[in-house]
Amino acid sequence: GQSLEQPSEVTAVEGAIVQINCTYQTSGFYGLSWYQQHDGGAPTFLSYNALDGLEETGRFSSFLSRSDSYGYLLLQELQMKDSASYFCAVRDTGTGGFKTIFGAGTRLFVKA
Amino acid sequence: NAGVTQTPKFQVLKTGQSMTLQCAQDMNHEYMSWYRQDPGMGLRLIHYSVGAGITDQGEVPNGYNVSRSTTEDFPLRLLSAAPSQTSVYFCASSPDRSTDTQYFGPGTRLTVL
Repeated sequence: GQSLEQPSEVTAVEGAIVQINCTYQTSGFYGLSWYQQHDGGAPTFLSYNALDGLEETGRFSSFLSRSDSYGYLLLQELQMKDSASYFCAVRDTGTGGFKTIFGAGTRLFVKA
Repeated sequence: NAGVTQTPKFQVLKTGQSMTLQCAQDMNHEYMSWYRQDPGMGLRLIHYSVGAGITDQGEVPNGYNVSRSTTEDFPLRLLSAAPSQTSVYFCASSPDRSTDTQYFGPGTRLTVL
């Protein structure tokens, strides 16, 4: 079946670097996406990896290894406003459709 | 561009009532989808569409219908509301079926009594 695993919570201090891992199991795969969601808000798109390697967007980077079915989101120079939930997601094409499946989310707490 | 818009923002229904949640996007995106998010959980796909006239089921389609008569609009219909459908509903769009960069609407908070 389809599944994504990510840690439920991560805590880090302001200014530090944090890595949120995601492993996935799908029968078809286009790429791995990351979304941020603040409490009471809508998810917002952060990054997308279709190919192996590192994608950098400002303080955020995302990595994908298709052979390991693994990716991570790296947040640098953490700020208090980065406290939020982070979701990895894959678009699974294995059943002939184009379903996006989300992980359960990682709650990031940034401490002063 | 307004992006993805959803109406209403809040709704309270009684068990057995029906209603339609509206979703529209002005980015000419092919792919649109509906998710529900229960407290402290991730998003679960209800239905999606890869283009006008084409829809398909997601993970949790029971009790919901969709249609896609235009590229812009993708309404979600609750046929007979049940308390288990109390949730936050998000609509999203992405440029095409193979590019999973989704833009989300602000959400509809639905309570079924």
